[in-house]
Amino acid sequence: SQTIHQWPATLVQPVGSPLSLECTVEGTSNPNLYWYRQAAGRGLQLLFYSVGIGQISSEVPQNLSASRPQDRQFILSSKKLLLSDSGFYLCATDRGLSTDTQYFGPGTRLTVL
Amino acid sequence: KQEVTQIPAALSVLEGENLVLNCSFTDSAIYNLQWFRQDPGKGLTSLLLIQSSQREQTSGRLNASLDKSSGRSTLYIAASQPGDSATYLCAVRLIQGAQKLVFGQGTRLTINP
Repeated sequence: SQTIHQWPATLVQPVGSPLSLECTVEGTSNPNLYWYRQAAGRGLQLLFYSVGIGQISSEVPQNLSASRPQDRQFILSSKKLLLSDSGFYLCATDRGLSTDTQYFGPGTRLTVL
Repeated sequence: KQEVTQIPAALSVLEGENLVLNCSFTDSAIYNLQWFRQDPGKGLTSLLLIQSSQREQTSGRLNASLDKSSGRSTLYIAASQPGDSATYLCAVRLIQGAQKLVFGQGTRLTINP
């Protein structure tokens, strides 16, 4: 079965500082990978998804970026954080089949002050 | 644009009661609908996935139904327990842009002893 690791679990960063969140997946190969954000009182918003190494699709224009340097590694980055970047960031994966269940990691709580 | 709505936003019942959570979606062009559970500060756990060709799925005390033509799904929880307290989210996987799930805002469920 698939296991998703995310770190750090929590992060407090000042406005204008850089960001790097990491997600790794075990128990599968060539997965689809996703970054979601869940802001307080709001639903899950898809930020990025990747169907393969180096292939990134962005869903929402913003100051965040994503990279996939290895098959089972997905990184979310920012050069300068904004207050509005605060939220709960979730990494998810599936096999890329339209009939698939999507599995989620434990999340990273980001607070920008 | 697909919109997913969950009603009610919050629900509180007594232990042992049966309950129904509702999910509606505006575009019936979906591959499947998935119900998730989210505990506070945690990631999402998949509960049930219903393919568009199916009418219902069952797992233990949980039963999910899907009426694609009317854009509705229900999650039925039998004999509720305090451990069922969590936020329940439904999500549809679109036929267009098949990688994407569109989530509802969730129903926060509290089971009182």
